[in-house]
Amino acid sequence: EVQLLESGGDLVQPGGSLRLSCAGSGFPFSAYAMSWVRQAPGKGLEWVSSIAGDGGSTHYTDSVKGRFTISRDNSNNALFLQMSSLRAEDAAIYYCARHGNGGFHDCWGQGTLVTVSS
Amino acid sequence: EIVLTQSPGTLSLSPGERATLSCRASQSVSSSLAWYQQKPGQAPRLLVYAASNRATGIPARFSGSGSGTDFTLTISSLEPEDFAVYYCHQRGGWPRTFGQGTKVEVK
Repeated sequence: EVQLLESGGDLVQPGGSLRLSCAGSGFPFSAYAMSWVRQAPGKGLEWVSSIAGDGGSTHYTDSVKGRFTISRDNSNNALFLQMSSLRAEDAAIYYCARHGNGGFHDCWGQGTLVTVSS
Repeated sequence: EIVLTQSPGTLSLSPGERATLSCRASQSVSSSLAWYQQKPGQAPRLLVYAASNRATGIPARFSGSGSGTDFTLTISSLEPEDFAVYYCHQRGGWPRTFGQGTKVEVK
């Protein structure tokens, strides 16, 4: 069974840092590009970042460029999002998602909650 | 940035009725568009990808159409479990973007 499991969400102060992790299982992890997508409370979905299967290519939404870094460890089937200089507007549920059918997100984790508040 | 505009914002229908959801892109995304369903407290679920292809395990009552800038998701006959929020999503350009969502609610 294909599964994604996020962890690392927490309450952090503005300006602080946090590292999110996503563990993949049930599929050849390195064969798939992966993304982080977030959802602020009561709001819609927002794509945050994507990384190629071999980690050689990354992309970010403008609002997180220079603050967030996506990476992966294919030997351990893990995806990461290093977040720094966190702002109130970064508060959200962060989902990791696999790029499957046609490159679209065919499998999602259950999400991990990031709260940014003093 | 490619902006996706979904309409209507809310669709009030009864079980058994047909639902037609629209997604318009600010520039062409060819067929690089998907539809997701999200229920409260759950992660999104892929319904349709590449504009018109049903994802694995998705019932035949869900269908997608369109290309370029105008796309439609049709639910032929609403089941009780179909009442949810639906998002369109493009991967025709960077950054990837989502529409703001259409809520399908019980009338």
